[in-house]
Amino acid sequence: QKEVEQNSGPLSVPEGAIASLNCTYSDRVSQSFFWYRQYSGKSPELIMSIYSNGDKEDGRFTAQLNKASQYVSLLIRDSQPSDSATYLCAVNDGIFNKFYFGSGTKLNVKP
Amino acid sequence: SAVISQKPSRDICQRGTSLTIQCQVDSQVTMMFWYRQQPGQSLTLIATANQGSEATYESGFVIDKFPISRPNLTFSTLTVSNMSPEDSSIYLCSVERSDDFQETQYFGPGTRLLVL
Repeated sequence: QKEVEQNSGPLSVPEGAIASLNCTYSDRVSQSFFWYRQYSGKSPELIMSIYSNGDKEDGRFTAQLNKASQYVSLLIRDSQPSDSATYLCAVNDGIFNKFYFGSGTKLNVKP
Repeated sequence: SAVISQKPSRDICQRGTSLTIQCQVDSQVTMMFWYRQQPGQSLTLIATANQGSEATYESGFVIDKFPISRPNLTFSTLTVSNMSPEDSSIYLCSVERSDDFQETQYFGPGTRLLVL
């Protein structure tokens, strides 16, 4: 059973702070990792993908991957109230090209 | 990315009836997926739809309950048959695209189904 674990939250941060979202996965052969943002009542929207160990930055977002620890994280700098949403971590198993989703972390950014 | 549309966007249905959800993508894709997201939950894969072959269903989902069609490379339908209130959920289709030589999934806007 492949598992993707996330803290359900809610994670509350003040506006302008750094929000740190974490995800662990059980399958060592997983190759690709994704963060999706889902606003209430909307469908998931891809924010970032990461495939190699280390950091990947895109604007205010930084994804971090540590395959040895089976850990992927998303940092949101200068958090804005508009970042308030549920963030889903997803893992591509690399064999059957199947995506596994975590249960999501709800982020609240307080003005 | 991909431009994906779904119809209907929402519906309220009576127990025992069936609803067919359509998914249209703006360009040809090999793989299309159907997910269910129940209130407050994450996404659960129902099936994978490849053009020209039978859909592949995940454990707990059967073709008689969720028949899928994939008549061409830009379109798919999911039918929710003999509905019960437990089928109330958001149904999402997604497509797979290669970004930076890695497969990435993009989602349609979803169909919100309420079964009374």
